Amino acid sequence: GQNIDQPTEMTATEGAIVQINCTYQTSGFNGLFWYQQHAGEAPTFLSYNVLDGLEEKGRFSSFLSRSKGYSYLLLKELQMKDSASYLCAVVDSNYQLIWGAGTKLIIKP
Amino acid sequence: GAVVSQHPSWVICKSGTSVKIECRSLDFQATTMFWYRQFPKQSLMLMATSNEGSKATYEQGVEKDKFLINHASLTLSTLTVTSAHPEDSSFYICSARQSEDYNEQFFGPGTRLTVL
Repeated sequence: GQNIDQPTEMTATEGAIVQINCTYQTSGFNGLFWYQQHAGEAPTFLSYNVLDGLEEKGRFSSFLSRSKGYSYLLLKELQMKDSASYLCAVVDSNYQLIWGAGTKLIIKP
Repeated sequence: GAVVSQHPSWVICKSGTSVKIECRSLDFQATTMFWYRQFPKQSLMLMATSNEGSKATYEQGVEKDKFLINHASLTLSTLTVTSAHPEDSSFYICSARQSEDYNEQFFGPGTRLTVL
């Protein structure tokens, strides 16, 4: 079966750095997305990785290792507005998005 | 950038009535649209995938006769919840994909359905 694992909840302090991990086992791989979702809102795009390595975009970076079936989202200089759920999603061989359950990130002052 | 709209943003209806939700891609043509449902504190659950001009493909456990999907054009898909019941109350989100060569899905803002 297809499986995406990410922690259910994480807590971090404003101004700090947090890393949210995602491991996956899917039938084929055509890329991995990270989305941010605030409560009561639709997900918004953060990053897309299809090759191994680190993609940096401002305060957010995303890393992928295809051989390990592993990705992480790194958030720097945390702000209170970063409190949200972070969803990892993998594109499988049928070009369907397989979603993780999301990681709820709580930022404390 | 690619924008997807949904209408209505929220709807409250009586049990037994039908509700139609529209999903539009505003500045691109969507070859494929997806309908998701999300219950409180849970992840997105894919309900169905629809391609313009063809029947939608429903996920296991989703009743196609209850959740009618029409993808009549490359910019519009509709989801009709027929004979809605309180257990259908949820956050319904659509997303659209430009082409199979570009994997990103662009999400609409969602529709919150409350069935009394």
